Amino acid sequence: AQTVTQSQPEMSVQEAETVTLSCTYDTSESDYYLFWYKQPPSRQMILVIRQEAYKQQNATENRFSVNFQKAAKSFSLKISDSQLGDAAMYFCASVPRTGNQFYFGTGTSLTVIP
Amino acid sequence: KAGVTQTPRYLIKTRGQQVTLSCSPISGHRSVSWYQQTPGQGLQFLFEYFSETQRNKGNFPGRFSGRQFSNSRSEMNVSTLELGDSALYLCASSLVGGVRYNEQFFGPGTRLTVL
Repeated sequence: AQTVTQSQPEMSVQEAETVTLSCTYDTSESDYYLFWYKQPPSRQMILVIRQEAYKQQNATENRFSVNFQKAAKSFSLKISDSQLGDAAMYFCASVPRTGNQFYFGTGTSLTVIP
Repeated sequence: KAGVTQTPRYLIKTRGQQVTLSCSPISGHRSVSWYQQTPGQGLQFLFEYFSETQRNKGNFPGRFSGRQFSNSRSEMNVSTLELGDSALYLCASSLVGGVRYNEQFFGPGTRLTVL
């Protein structure tokens, strides 16, 4: 089994500033994927960014990037130039490469202050 | 391409009743997973269906069941509802195989309230 821990229930950031959301995970799998999903208020969950564990290079998607530390089992999300539309619940998730059962953290609620 | 759809969007039931939720995956997606989302608990995995077979199951009581049809549409059923079953139930579909393997696309959810 896998566990995913998000230790920050709530975070806030000033508009245009940078914020980092933390995530740690525990897995016995040798190969797996890691994801950050965003769930805006009353809206659908959407994929923000994905990291394949065998790749050492950190994934980047526009203003979103990750700091993947495999040995430490850490997978943090950095949001640069924060925008009001970034306000949402963010979930970290992991899944074994050979399986399809996702393990989610409890989420971090991000508030963006104008 | 149409996204994942879930019906109904909202449900109010009373304790002891049963409920059936429906999920239509993205066209071509054969894997459907169900999650229960509650404040403070995050998303808890219920089960996953692939080609009409339950492939994975989470740690939920037998009151929670599901099935998948030949067109990949899936239903989940909760019998003998309890107050603690009040939650947002999310369905997610994925395309098994290929570059986008394991990326799950979520539906809007069904908000179930048990009174």
